[in-house]
Amino acid sequence: GQNIDQPTEMTATEGAIVQINCTYQTSGFNGLFWYQQHAGEAPTFLSYNVLDGLEEKGRFSSFLSRSKGYSYLLLKELQMKDSASYLCAVMDSNYQLIWGAGTKLIIKP
Amino acid sequence: ETGVTQTPRHLVMGMTNKKSLKCEQHLGHNAMYWYKQSAKKPLELMFVYSLEERVENNSVPSRFSPECPNSSHLFLHLHTLQPEDSALYLCASSQHGASGGYNEQFFGPGTRLTVL
Repeated sequence: GQNIDQPTEMTATEGAIVQINCTYQTSGFNGLFWYQQHAGEAPTFLSYNVLDGLEEKGRFSSFLSRSKGYSYLLLKELQMKDSASYLCAVMDSNYQLIWGAGTKLIIKP
Repeated sequence: ETGVTQTPRHLVMGMTNKKSLKCEQHLGHNAMYWYKQSAKKPLELMFVYSLEERVENNSVPSRFSPECPNSSHLFLHLHTLQPEDSALYLCASSQHGASGGYNEQFFGPGTRLTVL
């Protein structure tokens, strides 16, 4: 079966750095997405990785290792507005997205 | 209007009611999706339409009936639902290429459905 694993909840301090991990087992791989979802709102796209390595976009970076079936999202200089759920999703061989359950990130002052 | 819109934002219905959810995308995309989001569970893909043809139906009960009259509009018709169908229903759209490829999905704000 296909499976995406990520921690249920994480807590971090404003101004700090946090790393949210995602491991996956899917039938085929056509890229990995990270989305942010604030409570009561739509998920919004953060990043896409299809090749191994680190993609940096401002305060957010995403890393992929295809051989390990592993990705992480790195958030730097945390702000209170970063409190949200972060969803990891893998595009399988049929170009459909397989979603993780999301990681709820709580930022404390 | 920009992006993906959904109406209504909130819906309460009894098990014998018939209602419809509406989604409209203003992005010129050729694929649209219905997802179900329940608390602490992964997004569940329900239906996919590509170029107005249904290409995916993930064993969804027949009490959910999708309709895609054109590439910009998607409906989800609901009838005789069960309380366990209460969830957030999200619509999304993307640009689907002939060879698949990178097709970031853009989501609407969702309809919060409560079945009594």
